[in-house]
Amino acid sequence: SSELTQDPAVSVALGQTVRITCQGDSLRSYYASWYQQKPGQAPVLVIYGKNNRPSGIPDRFSGSSSGNTASLTITGAQAEDEADYYCNSRDSSGNPIFGGGTKLTVL
Amino acid sequence: EVQLVQSGAEVKKPGESLRISCKGSGYSFTSYWISWVRQMPGKGLEWMGRIDPSDSYTNYSPSFQGHVTISADKSISTAYLQWSSLKASDTAMYYCARHMADTAMVTWGQGTLVTVSS
Repeated sequence: SSELTQDPAVSVALGQTVRITCQGDSLRSYYASWYQQKPGQAPVLVIYGKNNRPSGIPDRFSGSSSGNTASLTITGAQAEDEADYYCNSRDSSGNPIFGGGTKLTVL
Repeated sequence: EVQLVQSGAEVKKPGESLRISCKGSGYSFTSYWISWVRQMPGKGLEWMGRIDPSDSYTNYSPSFQGHVTISADKSISTAYLQWSSLKASDTAMYYCARHMADTAMVTWGQGTLVTVSS
């Protein structure tokens, strides 16, 4: 399959740890990237490669991968982390694809 | 500062043509691919296609192949997304994004809202 599958919604208590997952066959061969999108704003890259954060992204964001599943972990979630999160990798043709997105609610 | 600045919002009628733009600054425009990404109202991100600004090589998602055209003018560090005949279903926010070495998109434009309505 060339698709990336994400849970539509996840919630986490303030200060707790949450894992957002992304499943797809291409993830056995390629790393996922992760994007945060807040309402009315453009997406922001938060994780890329094996587990790399662009400048300015807090270290509470981390990435990992196992088999066909990539994960974004937020350790000590903050209120400002409430957003939509999208994974991104390649399809069987090598072209970029996005997961359907996960809406994170911080309680 | 690395930036992608997109052209402003557009309101068009079905059947009209349109070209929106994405101007890069603060980096070597020809060194990184530029992708276009669609986000329909209340929906997720969809990759449309990308261009290598150094030689204007493009590739498209099958979902968008033949419906849009991506181009670039490296002399003015600008990429374009073009429609020859808009449909109401093209109503969406469109983002350009600069790639890193792989499919990761490190810098995004602010988005261009395209509204197609009779």
